[in-house]
Amino acid sequence: ETGVTQSPTHLIKTRGQQVTLRCSSQSGHNTVSWYQQALGQGPQFIFQYYREEENGRGNFPPRFSGLQFPNYSSELNVNALELDDSALYLCASSPRLAGDEQFFGPGTRLTVL
Amino acid sequence: DQQVKQNSPSLSVQEGRISILNCDYTNSMFDYFLWYKKYPAEGPTFLISISSIKDKNEDGRFTVFLNKSAKHLSLHIVPSQPGDSAVYFCAASAANNDMRFGAGTRLTVKP
Repeated sequence: ETGVTQSPTHLIKTRGQQVTLRCSSQSGHNTVSWYQQALGQGPQFIFQYYREEENGRGNFPPRFSGLQFPNYSSELNVNALELDDSALYLCASSPRLAGDEQFFGPGTRLTVL
Repeated sequence: DQQVKQNSPSLSVQEGRISILNCDYTNSMFDYFLWYKKYPAEGPTFLISISSIKDKNEDGRFTVFLNKSAKHLSLHIVPSQPGDSAVYFCAASAANNDMRFGAGTRLTVKP
């Protein structure tokens, strides 16, 4: 059974650019959530996708968008990058929609210069 | 808007002793609570959970206690082992699946 994988591991962008982060869910999981973890803080919920539809969203602006594909892999897109977007971005999958335990990937470290 | 708070950024205990990690929440709609452990360069790993209909859940050395009236939960690790050294996150979710995390407590277990 393959766990949750994320790519790339690290990424450096400049302010104003756009970035796409990718996540491959654990086999059999149809729900994926994305989190932003700033240094010294806990993960903050960005949004969740269930069967390719957005199922909930945290307090993030519309320039944060996502997609979930039929194979349940997903993408997080961030437009017009700002310095404060520098963080670890975590993807988590779960087998059901309810607030069950989620299986996290190792994260993508994004640095915005 | 910090709905889940872990007020102790760090905790140090001796091997074999009890570790108690605390977490407070403000949103009475939360009905499911989880603890995650995180090692450096890895994503958080699920440790133990409790639903709001219970006040205690035990799994081996790990026990989570929930006090709904005080909006407080705690994680007890007995006995603590050096391999337990990690950052521990408390998380809570409501029916809308929006999971909120605390800022984490770094536990160090000394041999």
